[in-house]
Amino acid sequence: GQNIDQPTEMTATEGAIVQINCTYQTSGFNGLFWYQQHAGEAPTFLSYNVLDGLEEKGRFSSFLSRSKGYSYLLLKELQMKDSASYLCAVREGAGGATNKLIFGTGTLLAVQP
Amino acid sequence: DSGVTQTPKHLITATGQRVTLRCSPRSGDLSVYWYQQSLDQGLQFLIQYYNGEERAKGNILERFSAQQFPDLHSELNLSSLELGDSALYFCASSPVQETQYFGPGTRLLVL
Repeated sequence: GQNIDQPTEMTATEGAIVQINCTYQTSGFNGLFWYQQHAGEAPTFLSYNVLDGLEEKGRFSSFLSRSKGYSYLLLKELQMKDSASYLCAVREGAGGATNKLIFGTGTLLAVQP
Repeated sequence: DSGVTQTPKHLITATGQRVTLRCSPRSGDLSVYWYQQSLDQGLQFLIQYYNGEERAKGNILERFSAQQFPDLHSELNLSSLELGDSALYFCASSPVQETQYFGPGTRLLVL
C-alpha cells in the first residue's frame, strides 16, 4: 500500500524559517517531489530528491532519507506570498516512461506578519 | 504559466450527464497525466498516457475514461456524473521521467 503523511496546517512568522515534514511508505520508490499550491490554482514544482541528502534552491531546500522514508521542505526568509499548501509527492514505478505520482494531502502554511 | 492548457476552465452540469475535459501538453512532452482534487481527498492520480498509450492507472472510476490523440492532446471523459464528482480536474505533462507541470485545471460542479 501507499501512505504519505504531512501535518495538516502550520503557522509561521514573516522572515522566519519553517520546516514541513513528510513521511511515506510506498512500494517502488523512485523519487520525491514538493509542490506549492495556492488556493484554486495549479500545483507548481518546487523541488525533487531521488538520492539521500539536501537539495538547495534559493530560499527553498528539500531533504530526503530513503532509509527512514522521510523528507522535509525548508523555507527560509518567509514572505507573505509563501502562504499556500505544500504537497509532498512520491513517484512510484520501476522507471521508463511510467511516472505515477502519489500525493500527500498537503500542509497548509499560513505566514503571519 | 506552465505551458499546459486545459479547457474549459469551469463546467456546471447535472447528475447523470457526460462531460469531456481537454488538455494540451507542453510542446515536446509525450506524457499526459490526469488528477482529481476534491476538498476531502487531496490530489488523486487518475491515469497517465505516454505517446498515445496508457501507461499507469490510479483509482479511476469505470465511469471515467481518457485517451491521448496523435497530436498528443488528451481528453478525459466523465459519464453518469454524480454529485461527488464535483472537483478540480488537473492535467499535467512531462518529458519521459521528469517533473510534471500542471495546467490551470477545470472546475467541475455537478448539481
